[in-house]
Amino acid sequence: EPEVTQTPSHQVTQMGQEVILRCVPISNHLYFYWYRQILGQKVEFLVSFYNNEISEKSEIFDDQFSVERPDGSNFTLKIRSTKLEDSAMYFCASSVGQGAAYGYTFGSGTRLTVV
Amino acid sequence: DAKTTQPNSMESNEEEPVHLPCNHSTISGTDYIHWYRQLPSQGPEYVIHGLTSNVNNRMASLAIAEDRKSSTLILHRATLRDAAVYYCILRTSYDKVIFGPGTSLSVIP
Repeated sequence: EPEVTQTPSHQVTQMGQEVILRCVPISNHLYFYWYRQILGQKVEFLVSFYNNEISEKSEIFDDQFSVERPDGSNFTLKIRSTKLEDSAMYFCASSVGQGAAYGYTFGSGTRLTVV
Repeated sequence: DAKTTQPNSMESNEEEPVHLPCNHSTISGTDYIHWYRQLPSQGPEYVIHGLTSNVNNRMASLAIAEDRKSSTLILHRATLRDAAVYYCILRTSYDKVIFGPGTSLSVIP
């Protein structure tokens, strides 16, 4: 069964450093998403991406965050200057269509620890 | 936004059926009912979705009330691997998936 692949599985970074989280969505999917989950809290939407543009972003997705699809397969989330409160699990997801008739496939996540 | 209400937690015995309820009394005619689950230390996983009719797939069944104000996710035979948080989510048209607190299902051996 096709999978969404995320790397690395765990990243530790110093406060203020830049991090790039990587995702390989399912190959025929056109819509891409990032979510995060702070330990013990619910899964939160960050951003959706389609046709090389951000479709929608949440309040969490401020100027410190950016997303990119640098080639035909990867989808990345960059945090420019990490803060302690950015420590969380980050999940990438993709879907073949945008509408509510389609489900999302999520990756296993990257655990980001900011020290 | 249309909202859902789920119990915080439920327990089930292994190898028995599990019925996970969801209330969505403000559902509109174009809202799809989606279910996802999240196993411990894993990403969310799509389970099933439906609009008006009951739906079956290899993971579960979704029973939708005639008035669509509630639905039930049915796991036909719970295994230890089904212990997870189950999320009932309404989506209208091009809405993204938004997670609530869900129901934490424990499966007792």
